Amino acid sequence: EVQLVESGGGLVKPGGSLRLSCAASGFTFSSYSMNWVRQAPGKGLEWVSSITSSGANIYYADSVKGRFTISRDNAKNSLYLQMNSLRAEDTAVYYCARPRGGCFDFWGQGTLVTVSS
Amino acid sequence: DIQMTQSPSTLSASVGDRVTITCRASQSISYWLAWYQQKPGKVPKLLIYKASSLESGVPSRFSGSGSGTEFTLTISSLQPDDFTTYFCQQYNSFPWTFGQGTKVEIK
Repeated sequence: EVQLVESGGGLVKPGGSLRLSCAASGFTFSSYSMNWVRQAPGKGLEWVSSITSSGANIYYADSVKGRFTISRDNAKNSLYLQMNSLRAEDTAVYYCARPRGGCFDFWGQGTLVTVSS
Repeated sequence: DIQMTQSPSTLSASVGDRVTITCRASQSISYWLAWYQQKPGKVPKLLIYKASSLESGVPSRFSGSGSGTEFTLTISSLQPDDFTTYFCQQYNSFPWTFGQGTKVEIK
């Protein structure tokens, strides 16, 4: 059974940093690109970042480019999102999502990031 | 960036109704479109991929159509479990983008 379990969310002050993790199981993690998608409270979905299976290619939404860094450790079946210079508008539930093509067939339960003073 | 516009934002319907949600792309995305259902407090669930392919396990009352810039999600006979929010997503090119969502309410 495919499982994606996010962790690392919490309350952080504006300008602060946070590192999210996603532990994957039930599939060959190293064969899949992986993504982060977020959802602000009561709002729609926003794709944040994507990393290819080897980590060779990385993509970011303009809203996070230069502040967030996606990475992975295939030996640990883990995906990460380092978030720096956090802003109030980054407040959201962050989902780790496995793509099939470019749509997402498996999602984690999400971790809430709240940016507030 | 490709903008995805869903309509309507809210749809009021009754059990048994046939409903259609539209998603328009700001430029051609071929058939690289997905539809998701999201219930309150839950994770999005993939319903349709490649515009018209039904995800495994999804009831056949859901169907998708379209190509290029205009797409539709149709629920042939609304069931009580279907009253929730639906999103479209283009994956033709980065950045992948979602529609703003359509909430299906009980009339």
